[in-house]
Amino acid sequence: GQNIDQPTEMTATEGAIVQINCTYQTSGFNGLFWYQQHAGEAPTFLSYNVLDGLEEKGRFSSFLSRSKGYSYLLLKELQMKDSASYLCALRGSTLGRLYFGRGTQLTVWP
Amino acid sequence: GAGVSQSPSNKVTEKGKDVELRCDPISGHTALYWYRQRLGQGLEFLIYFQGNSAPDKSGLPSDRFSAERTGGSVSTLTIQRTQQEDSAVYLCASSLAQAGELFFGEGSRLTVL
Repeated sequence: GQNIDQPTEMTATEGAIVQINCTYQTSGFNGLFWYQQHAGEAPTFLSYNVLDGLEEKGRFSSFLSRSKGYSYLLLKELQMKDSASYLCALRGSTLGRLYFGRGTQLTVWP
Repeated sequence: GAGVSQSPSNKVTEKGKDVELRCDPISGHTALYWYRQRLGQGLEFLIYFQGNSAPDKSGLPSDRFSAERTGGSVSTLTIQRTQQEDSAVYLCASSLAQAGELFFGEGSRLTVL
């Protein structure tokens, strides 16, 4: 099975940089995803890592280390609209099925 | 349509009644997923359909829950004899292939009184 762990809550100020960590244990690996979910809305896709290293997409970057079972999402130049829950999701040994962590609620203060 | 469409957006029912939730995936997407999200909780995997393959039902919490996907497109999630603990947002997602990213619908909020 899969075990995904991420912090429950984080806070940061506008313009700052924040790193949201995700650690996991899995019997197989077919990719790690990050999603953003605003309150009352559906999750939206942010990034995908299947190989080790950093994937950069504008203000958002995601890093993966498969040997350490570790990923992080880096958000730069934080804006108020970045206040949301950030979900780490793992595709394990079975293609298709995607398991989600409980999410990290990020609050950005002015 | 342009995105994943779910109906109804809100459903209030009495304990013991049956409910059906519908999902219309993005055209051409072969994979379809159902998740449940209780208030303040993460996404709980329920079931996964891929093309004509047998569905992965491993996440269904009890035999009161069932789902089907007709013609490889629209899916219906049925909950029989609803209980108060079934109250949650039921999210449907689709992806172009079994290795692709998921696109979510807005969800169906179920409240069981």
